[in-house]
Amino acid sequence: SQQGEEDPQALSIQEGENATMNCSYKTSINNLQWYRQNSGRGLVHLILIRSNEREKHSGRLRVTLDTSKKSSSLLITASRAADTASYFCATDSWGKLQFGAGTQVVVTP
Amino acid sequence: DAGVTQSPTHLIKTRGQQVTLRCSPKSGHDTVSWYQQALGQGPQFIFQYYEEEERQRGNFPDRFSGHQFPNYSSELNVNALLLGDSALYLCASSFPSGRANEQFFGPGTRLTVL
Repeated sequence: SQQGEEDPQALSIQEGENATMNCSYKTSINNLQWYRQNSGRGLVHLILIRSNEREKHSGRLRVTLDTSKKSSSLLITASRAADTASYFCATDSWGKLQFGAGTQVVVTP
Repeated sequence: DAGVTQSPTHLIKTRGQQVTLRCSPKSGHDTVSWYQQALGQGPQFIFQYYEEEERQRGNFPDRFSGHQFPNYSSELNVNALLLGDSALYLCASSFPSGRANEQFFGPGTRLTVL
């Protein structure tokens, strides 16, 4: 079973636009992480937000966490064609990552 | 600094056979986790090794077993392969759990069972 559920399942935007995806989870967590995967290859870590944090930034990425609602969001600003990928949230329970099914993002030039 | 490496890249087996996949962690990491990713799905946690012992296990049958060597590298073994075992198998390394940290993933081994 999967802990996180991403929404939407797919997202198509144009370069320069912002992309927002959401993640909901079911149980308590130590932290929540976001990963990117290109074309079925290995996952690349994007950002980690601890359970006592509410917002975190990294370059063009902004992540929020609401533990009361058991939800998180990932915002990619000023998207680029190279941002085309699948994005996964993963809840971390003592090193065991539980992933959602992911959001497929397509950025067209 | 070499990242996580996995071998082989691709593998084709037939039902009932056995397979061994290999993983070398990122330099300085001592914890290895294995994940199975079916097409169109997110990765599913199989198990995690630390200090040569299985520390956590996901919901996978005993046909899935592993090993960690003194140099922290790891193997994933799958016996009596089923068609449903066809997937991308990902290895990830990290520092010991108990600390909030990221996991570094290898490129994966794509297993096809015919």
